[in-house]
Amino acid sequence: GENVEQHPSTLSVQEGDSAVIKCTYSDSASNYFPWYKQELGKGPQLIIDIRSNVGEKKDQRIAVTLNKTAKHFSLHITETQPEDSAVYFCAAVDANFGNEKLTFGTGTRLTIIP
Amino acid sequence: EAGVTQFPSHSVIEKGQTVTLRCDPISGHDNLYWYRRVMGKEIKFLLHFVKESKQDESGMPNNRFLAERTGGTYSTLKVQPAELEDSGVYFCASSQELGISGEQYFGPGTRLTVT
Repeated sequence: GENVEQHPSTLSVQEGDSAVIKCTYSDSASNYFPWYKQELGKGPQLIIDIRSNVGEKKDQRIAVTLNKTAKHFSLHITETQPEDSAVYFCAAVDANFGNEKLTFGTGTRLTIIP
Repeated sequence: EAGVTQFPSHSVIEKGQTVTLRCDPISGHDNLYWYRRVMGKEIKFLLHFVKESKQDESGMPNNRFLAERTGGTYSTLKVQPAELEDSGVYFCASSQELGISGEQYFGPGTRLTVT
């Protein structure tokens, strides 16, 4: 089955700087890679995703890149703000043939220092 | 539109007792998922319902866990008897569509502590 590794487990950055979180996956059949943000007391919320036919996707201050050959994908947050502080999870899924389960990384606790 | 709701938000029980968690998905979502996060580890898939049918229960840890979704609306996850290693946060998620376009919306989770 799929295995997703996520690094780093904790990350502190100065407000205004950039943050990068990296994930690797093992199953070449995975074709959908969402990123979730979990704030205190809430469930994970989808913030951005990327499909396997795309190498990069951007949405305002967040971007995700995917390298299918190396089985790497990364989350980039620019101009970080205090409200970006949260736990971030990457995930991978083989969304073909009704196989819908998300395989998550272990999470990165991001702290933005004002 | 109401999101995914879960009840209770917290539950503390003793080893050997029974606990039932409830999830109400977003109205109209046929797909319902249960996940669990044990302390400091990844969020792990437990099972997936399509309406009232179990599509995939490959993540259920053992037969102490029983999930139901009668009528294809809300779902319950019963743990009987609970063990210490069952402690963690149980998340429910729902989605309207299957496949690559089916975003999963998560509830706030139920924090289960078994003492």
